[in-house]
Amino acid sequence: QSALTQPASVSGSPGQSITISCTGTSSDVGSYNLVSWYQQHPGKAPKLMIYEVSKRPSGVSNRFSGSKSGNTASLTISGLQAEDEADYYCCSYAGSSTSSFGTGTKVTVL
Amino acid sequence: EVQLVESGGGLVKPGGSLRLSCAASGFTFSSYSMNWVRQAPGKGLEWVSSISSSSSYIYYADSVKGRFTISRDNAKNSLYLQMNSLRAEDTAVYYCARMGTGLYFDYWGQGTLVTVSS
Repeated sequence: QSALTQPASVSGSPGQSITISCTGTSSDVGSYNLVSWYQQHPGKAPKLMIYEVSKRPSGVSNRFSGSKSGNTASLTISGLQAEDEADYYCCSYAGSSTSSFGTGTKVTVL
Repeated sequence: EVQLVESGGGLVKPGGSLRLSCAASGFTFSSYSMNWVRQAPGKGLEWVSSISSSSSYIYYADSVKGRFTISRDNAKNSLYLQMNSLRAEDTAVYYCARMGTGLYFDYWGQGTLVTVSS
């Protein structure tokens, strides 16, 4: 159950688009379309933003989108807004009914 | 409205035990798998354990296997985590999380802090 690799930080100006990568292996991200993304503001619980690679839960802005290629999944935030400043974590099913989270990415809105 | 409320956290000495609880409301608890996810201070998220809706299937992260026990009481809409042989590295906020149909965590509680220190 190794952690998936994410960049420690990503930043962008309001209105810009940013992309956060999540690199795993052929045993997790590469094998299953079961990647999810979570947003966490300081001192708060995580919130589901994307599930099954690219699906958005009801109530999540369509500025958030997900994709996957090989062993790497990505979360794109378009039209960056101040309230998007938070930590973001990817997660993938890793087989044998276990899950692996990413190392986390701090998004800063400049 | 789905609500998950954890309790039972606190300060415990290394080698000690603690039992966490999660009270669920706003959905049919007995129809969903449930999970515990933890987050050490200033660190990332770590999946800890999961239990299927009827308790037939239980899984643990290698880091807690043999020391933690997950359980649930569907009559009481409650999830539990019995933590034994606690170590300093178990210090974290422990979140209760509902599992959606596609193996993702769709609702989370506010968390309860467990501190293991002498």
